[in-house]
Amino acid sequence: QKEVEQNSGPLSVPEGAIASLNCTYSDRGSQSFFWYRQYSGKSPELIMFIYSNGDKEDGRFTAQLNKASQYVSLLIRDSQPSDSATYLCAVRGSYIPTFGRGTSLIVHP
Amino acid sequence: DAGVIQSPRHEVTEMGQEVTLRCKPISGHDYLFWYRQTMMRGLELLIYFNNNVPIDDSGMPEDRFSAKMPNASFSTLKIQPSEPRDSAVYFCASSPIMDSSYEQYFGPGTRLTVT
Repeated sequence: QKEVEQNSGPLSVPEGAIASLNCTYSDRGSQSFFWYRQYSGKSPELIMFIYSNGDKEDGRFTAQLNKASQYVSLLIRDSQPSDSATYLCAVRGSYIPTFGRGTSLIVHP
Repeated sequence: DAGVIQSPRHEVTEMGQEVTLRCKPISGHDYLFWYRQTMMRGLELLIYFNNNVPIDDSGMPEDRFSAKMPNASFSTLKIQPSEPRDSAVYFCASSPIMDSSYEQYFGPGTRLTVT
């Protein structure tokens, strides 16, 4: 059984701070890692993917991958109230990704 | 493109009734996925199709659930008979190919309530 674990939160950060979201996975054969954002009542939307160890930056978002530790994280710099959402981690082996249950992020003014 | 289209957006039905959810994937996408999302279990893959052929239905909870894709632009997920524990948001998603970026495009979802 492939497991993807996320702290359900909520993670509460002040506006302008760095939000750090974490995800661990059980399948060592996992190849690709994804972060989706899901606003309340909406569908998930992809914000980042990463498949090599290290960091990948896109604007205010940085994904970090450590395959040895089976750990992937998402950093959101200069957090804004509009970043308040649930963030889903998805991990893919050969075919279909397995989703974590998500971390709720609240950015308060 | 209009994106993935799902209908209905909301469905309220009584236990024992048949429910049919519909999905139109993005044109040109070869893969179609049906997911169910609940607070307790998160986002679960029910079944996926490649070029209209069901590839993996191991996530379908039981025989009451069935899915079809008669052509590249239409898929249905049917629950018969429905039960209160089927209440969830059902998402359809499509994807062009299974490459490393593997972006799945999700529809708006159907919120199903079975009373």
